Amino acid sequence: DVKVTQSSRYLVKRTGEKVFLECVQDMDHENMFWYRQDPGLGLRLIYFSYDVKMKEKGDIPEGYSVSREKKERFSLILESASTNQTSMYLCASSLLGGTNEKLFFGSGTQLSVL
Amino acid sequence: SQQGEEDPQALSIQEGENATMNCSYKTSINNLQWYRQNSGRGLVHLILIRSNEREKHSGRLRVTLDTSKKSSSLLITASRAADTASYFCARSPSGNTPLVFGKGTRLSVIA
Repeated sequence: DVKVTQSSRYLVKRTGEKVFLECVQDMDHENMFWYRQDPGLGLRLIYFSYDVKMKEKGDIPEGYSVSREKKERFSLILESASTNQTSMYLCASSLLGGTNEKLFFGSGTQLSVL
Repeated sequence: SQQGEEDPQALSIQEGENATMNCSYKTSINNLQWYRQNSGRGLVHLILIRSNEREKHSGRLRVTLDTSKKSSSLLITASRAADTASYFCARSPSGNTPLVFGKGTRLSVIA
């Protein structure tokens, strides 16, 4: 079975902390994505990557950065966490060049910033 | 980017009834996909319909696509309590850009 694993299911952090959200996929997928999900707003794309060491901004990249040093791992970094970054974070991956194929999602990380 | 719009936002039906959810979008697409999300979990891919297809089936799921009206519908037949979840449409814009998700329809199936 294909698998996208997010390192934490629940996370509580303090304002100003640097936060790392890790995502690992075991499917040898080229494409990886980070979304955040908020009630009433649906899923919004933060960053994505089509290849190792490559990254592209999504719709809401402010306050975030990413790292993709290895093909299977895509990390989301909150440089200085703020309360408005309290959200559900979802990692996803897909095969092939382009993004037209289906996404495989992790179980999500519910982040609370206090 | 503009999100697709699902309609209705919430739907409550009895077990055994059919559930229909609609999705509208504004720009051209390569394909349109439907996903399901159980409460507090990740999304699971259900079905993908390409822009040159009009209808697709998968088990109790039926998806239609009308590119002239820029709309799609997801029909779940003979619903079960286990179908209770949120359902999202996601459009794949033309070109090499990521999926754009709608805000979802929350389906409740009452036993």
